[in-house]
Amino acid sequence: DQQVKQNSPSLSVQEGRISILNCDYTNSMFDYFLWYKKYPAEGPTFLISISSIKDKNEDGRFTVFLNKSAKHLSLHIVPSQPGDSAVYFCAASSIQGAQKLVFGQGTRLTINP
Amino acid sequence: DTAVSQTPKYLVTQMGNDKSIKCEQNLGHDTMYWYKQDSKKFLKIMFSYNNKELIINETVPNRFSPKSPDKAHLNLHINSLELGDSAVYFCASSQYNEQFFGPGTRLTVL
Repeated sequence: DQQVKQNSPSLSVQEGRISILNCDYTNSMFDYFLWYKKYPAEGPTFLISISSIKDKNEDGRFTVFLNKSAKHLSLHIVPSQPGDSAVYFCAASSIQGAQKLVFGQGTRLTINP
Repeated sequence: DTAVSQTPKYLVTQMGNDKSIKCEQNLGHDTMYWYKQDSKKFLKIMFSYNNKELIINETVPNRFSPKSPDKAHLNLHINSLELGDSAVYFCASSQYNEQFFGPGTRLTVL
């Protein structure tokens, strides 16, 4: 029973263009959502988050959008840079779940020069 | 200055052995976690400790025993290692909602 899903295992985008990574969830109790970036042989690095009381959060080139009715969130990276090439994990948590993170399976983003 | 560190980074061992992975965080966080990333790359929580108290135990076999000597350390001891235990194990810590991860320990059981 996978509560957080990233249906695209990989995504290829040209440098300078917008990258859009998508994530769907099924548990309506989730109230906090995060995106992590992971390079090979390293741990996931926190990128950006959003609380369920908001529908958008922006930090520099990164913006996360939350659509609660559709149980969907997305991460926009603009403009995309070669250093953005990594695996991106979506994660969700809830107070009832003692803040444990439930992760999606990740999307490998490749930025082409 | 490393925030969350794990040792060792790589661990290769035989089936049936007992091994430990150590984790330390210097962020002053109250909560620490162990996650397992399996061969299919899923990251799944195993345990969580808050101020040395166990708060999450996700139906992990009894062969896995976390130990938190103080709130900056959370070690993972694994008894009678099995082939299926081969994975990358990540430690993490948090104070609020964002969790900060260590570099991972790649465990290979032969």
